[in-house]
Amino acid sequence: DGGITQSPKYLFRKEGQNVTLSCEQNLNHDAMYWYRQDPGQGLRLIYYSQIVNDFQKGDIAEGYSVSREKKESFPLTVTSAQKNPTAFYLCASSTPGQATYEQYFGPGTRLTVT
Amino acid sequence: AQSVAQPEDQVNVAEGNPLTVKCTYSVSGNPYLFWYVQYPNRGLQFLLKYITGDNLVKGSYGFEAEFNKSQTSFHLKKPSALVSDSALYFCAVRPNNRKLIWGLGTSLAVNP
Repeated sequence: DGGITQSPKYLFRKEGQNVTLSCEQNLNHDAMYWYRQDPGQGLRLIYYSQIVNDFQKGDIAEGYSVSREKKESFPLTVTSAQKNPTAFYLCASSTPGQATYEQYFGPGTRLTVT
Repeated sequence: AQSVAQPEDQVNVAEGNPLTVKCTYSVSGNPYLFWYVQYPNRGLQFLLKYITGDNLVKGSYGFEAEFNKSQTSFHLKKPSALVSDSALYFCAVRPNNRKLIWGLGTSLAVNP
């Protein structure tokens, strides 16, 4: 899980509440990503950021928001508009300057909304 | 549409036997190819990648993968499986310097 930390590991919320998942990296990577993982569906990209103060929607951005005020940090907010927020959330980072780059992943946060 | 397929949801192999986890892709150009492993309730770990050159790529933990351009495949292999190799394996492809396309994953079970 390298130099990426995600907190907390488990998170429980009531329906209708917004919740923010933390992601911090000390790898000096410019790019950061948020994925959602559901059983049998692989990884789906929520948002990504190539540089500070800039980010783009991924494939399933509805109901989520992000910010990128610092290079090291890329928090994800799961809003009450997300219809099915219970999932395993993974943060990743990479160096986008090289097309051959691999992504480095954090340990994940398992969010349960009831 | 560009896609990555891992045709087997689950692979079972006996410890000590060789293992293969399959990946095929349908993308334009000359993509970069990756394999990752995920242990239960953990993040993904990078195993290996193919960029160019030798079709056989060696990676972490004794894994290797064979790139076959004509069959558009990038199968993950290991000569002798360990129980500790039991995990979820993901193939990913990056076409033409664009976003990664992920396979759905293959669960590998190595039986003692």
